[in-house]
Amino acid sequence: GQQVMQIPQYQHVQEGEDFTTYCNSSTTLSNIQWYKQRPGGHPVFLIQLVKSGEVKKQKRLTFQFGEAKKNSSLHITATQTTDVGTYFCAAYSGAGSYQLTFGKGTKLSVIP
Amino acid sequence: NAGVMQNPRHLVRRRGQEARLRCSPMKGHSHVYWYRQLPEEGLKFMVYLQKENIIDESGMPKERFSAEFPKEGPSILRIQQVVRGDSAAYFCASSPLSRGGDYEQYFGPGTRLTVT
Repeated sequence: GQQVMQIPQYQHVQEGEDFTTYCNSSTTLSNIQWYKQRPGGHPVFLIQLVKSGEVKKQKRLTFQFGEAKKNSSLHITATQTTDVGTYFCAAYSGAGSYQLTFGKGTKLSVIP
Repeated sequence: NAGVMQNPRHLVRRRGQEARLRCSPMKGHSHVYWYRQLPEEGLKFMVYLQKENIIDESGMPKERFSAEFPKEGPSILRIQQVVRGDSAAYFCASSPLSRGGDYEQYFGPGTRLTVT
């Protein structure tokens, strides 16, 4: 079935440093979604990317979808303590599928 | 506009007991999904339901687990004869009418199940 690999598993950064997490698939994705889960919380939808090479920005967060639609990245500029949490990429298992497959996530810790 | 609601938030069961987890989707959403999350792991899809229909249960163990979404009332995930390995966080998500997976999913706060 559909698999999305996400790296790194953990990332510790000093407050103010940048952070990037990467998501890769062996198959072409119809779209990719990103979620954030705070410690003890639930996943919260951040964004969906659909088009090849698409780049979207939300304040300090930049999301990219690869040209081949097989990889994606989330970059946070100048991290803050409020960015702490686990970031997941997720993709539907094929066209017309209802099954959302999540990567294992990247757990971000920000040292003040 | 209330979000996805789940109850209970925490549930403790002894081995062999039954666990019932409830989920009320967001208003206007007719699609419900259940996921399981083990500590330090991602979310694993279990089942997808619409009102009175199970659409995809390929991620749900064939024994002891069942799910329903009746015409009236919340969706229920039922685990019979729980074992320690069932201890996890169970999240419910909902989405509006879906066209082949174009919509984001809205997650509830989850039910943390502990089996002693």
